[in-house]
Amino acid sequence: AQTVTQSQPEMSVQEAETVTLSCTYDTSESDYYLFWYKQPPSRQMILVIRQEAYKQQNATENRFSVNFQKAAKSFSLKISDSQLGDAAMYFCAYRSSTRGNAGNMLTFGGGTRLMVKP
Amino acid sequence: EAQVTQNPRYLITVTGKKLTVTCSQNMNHEYMSWYRQDPGLGLRQIYYSMNVEVTDKGDVPEGYKVSRKEKRNFPLILESPSPNQTSLYFCASSTIMNTEAFFGQGTRLTVV
Repeated sequence: AQTVTQSQPEMSVQEAETVTLSCTYDTSESDYYLFWYKQPPSRQMILVIRQEAYKQQNATENRFSVNFQKAAKSFSLKISDSQLGDAAMYFCAYRSSTRGNAGNMLTFGGGTRLMVKP
Repeated sequence: EAQVTQNPRYLITVTGKKLTVTCSQNMNHEYMSWYRQDPGLGLRQIYYSMNVEVTDKGDVPEGYKVSRKEKRNFPLILESPSPNQTSLYFCASSTIMNTEAFFGQGTRLTVV
């Protein structure tokens, strides 16, 4: 079974600065998907960014980018120019590319709470 | 608007009193699932459904039941809730093999 680990329960960053959230995962599969979700106080799960394992290029969405290291099974999220609205819980998640439940189920890390200081 | 709707958003109940959390999606998705979120553990899958009348256990199914009689609805049933089921619950849906999951707003359940 796959596992996802987020080793930083809490992080803080000064407004306008850059922060990197860490995520490692364990899998024997070669093809899969990785995601970062944001959960603000409203509890809504918001997809921030996703990465297909077969793509070598790191995904980028505006101020959010990832550093995907397939061999090291590492998937970190970098937030540039941090804003107060970025304060939230962030979850890293894994999804297999196989059929059945494994190809639809998300395996989540324990989460990292990000605080943004004004 | 494409959405997954859960009700209620907050629920406080007593041990042993049966309850149902409803989940409905308007996107004609085949796949639906329930997760529970606990501090430090992230979200863990409780049950899932690949289509109407097709359901199966996820990683933490004990104490829960589900049904899928219609494609749009996937209720979560706690027949005899216990305090260890106090948690934040999410319903999610997607098409089969779709890379994006749509989540409901979450249900905060407290069992006393």
